Amino acid sequence: DSGVTQTPKHLITATGQRVTLRCSPRSGDLSVYWYQQSLDQGLQFLIQYYNGEERAKGNILERFSAQQFPDLHSELNLSSLELGDSALYFCASSAGGYQETQYFGPGTRLLVL
Amino acid sequence: AQTVTQSQPEMSVQEAETVTLSCTYDTSESDYYLFWYKQPPSRQMILVIRQEAYKQQNATENRFSVNFQKAAKSFSLKISDSQLGDAAMYFCAYRRKAGNQFYFGTGTSLTVIP
Repeated sequence: DSGVTQTPKHLITATGQRVTLRCSPRSGDLSVYWYQQSLDQGLQFLIQYYNGEERAKGNILERFSAQQFPDLHSELNLSSLELGDSALYFCASSAGGYQETQYFGPGTRLLVL
Repeated sequence: AQTVTQSQPEMSVQEAETVTLSCTYDTSESDYYLFWYKQPPSRQMILVIRQEAYKQQNATENRFSVNFQKAAKSFSLKISDSQLGDAAMYFCAYRRKAGNQFYFGTGTSLTVIP
């Protein structure tokens, strides 16, 4: 158990809908990262937050957005969902700053029908 | 841009034998971190081992060790005394010391044969 929690574990929705994925980092970690892993693919970095502020942005679609709240949990919002958005979405956390290791949550499996 | 290459999509090893997974990376940085993560069928991403580029000594964690060749930009993972529980997808990852983003390879699927 990495100490990173993600909810829900599974999510099934329809095209055009909007969903919110939630992540709670390890106790004391300030940085949260979001990744997308499509079927049989590697991890694509989406976005990073550090202590409430966006720190780095990767290949995140405009239909997707994220935020980190004062209690350091983070939410990833996916809107106007398409079939191709079906994937495993991981959250990872690290202590922040230049701490080098990320610890991953169990992921949220999203299926768009 | 940093890239991480894992040239072996699939590998197999007999139980109790040793296997080496390859990883190369491209960077102009001199100080950075390298990682191996394991993703079993549960899909959980588990940190296996990490290496700091400025350390010449290869990292070791029990049956897992790395062969870090900085000049060649190579970072291979050796698994000794392979066990059935080692069967998983293994991802190599790179992170600049002064950066935030991790760069992952495309993974190597390891099968352990009883």
